[in-house]
Amino acid sequence: SQTIHQWPATLVQPVGSPLSLECTVEGTSNPNLYWYRQAAGRGLQLLFYSIGIDQISSEVPQNLSASRPQDRQFILSSKKLLLSDSGFYLCAWSRPNTEAFFGQGTRLTVV
Amino acid sequence: GQQLNQSPQSMFIQEGEDVSMNCTSSSIFNTWLWYKQDPGEGPVLLIALYKAGELTSNGRLTAQFGITRKDSFLNISASIPSDVGIYFCAGELRKGSQGNLIFGKGTKLSVKP
Repeated sequence: SQTIHQWPATLVQPVGSPLSLECTVEGTSNPNLYWYRQAAGRGLQLLFYSIGIDQISSEVPQNLSASRPQDRQFILSSKKLLLSDSGFYLCAWSRPNTEAFFGQGTRLTVV
Repeated sequence: GQQLNQSPQSMFIQEGEDVSMNCTSSSIFNTWLWYKQDPGEGPVLLIALYKAGELTSNGRLTAQFGITRKDSFLNISASIPSDVGIYFCAGELRKGSQGNLIFGKGTKLSVKP
C-alpha cells in the first residue's frame, strides 16, 4: 500500500530564516506530487504540483519554491520566511487523473 | 479562475440528525471528491465520484455526482460526535489536467451529543 510522510509536524521559525519541508511517498512510482497551504483551518490553496522529477509548476507567485530531487520526494523551501508564510502546509500525491491523498501536514508559525 | 461554491460554511447539529452539504460550480468537472479533515491533520478521502449521476455510499455517507457535472452533494445519516470536522469537496476539471484539483472552502460540522 502507498503511504505519504511529511515532516516536521510543527515548526516555529523567525522572520528571514530559511525553510525546508520534506515529503516522501512510498509504495508507488512516478506519482503526481502537490504542496497545498491552508490558512485559518479553511480552504486549500494549491502552491506547487509536479508530474515528474524536475517538472514543477507553480500555481501562485510567492516567497516559496519547490523541488523534486527524486521521484518520490518533494521539498518546499524558502530562502527568507515572511510572517505571511505562516499556515498549515499539506503535501499530497496522486496517480494521474485520480484522487489525491494527503500527508499529516506541517503547522508553520513564523515569528 | 474556476471556483467551487461549497455550502453551508458551517453546521451545528444534534447527534442522530442527518447532514447534507453540497458543492456547485459554473464549470464542468470530470471527478468529484469528498474529504474530511480533523483538526491539525491532513484531509482524508471519503468518497470519489467519476461518472455523472453516480451515487456512492461509504457507511453512513452518501455522495452523488450531479448529472450536469457541475455539482455534487454529500449526505451523512445519523450523525455521531466523531463526524465533527471540516468537509471539503474537490473537483478535477478535465482528464490530464495534472494538478487542477480545485477545492471548496469547506463545511465545518459540529455535532452536539
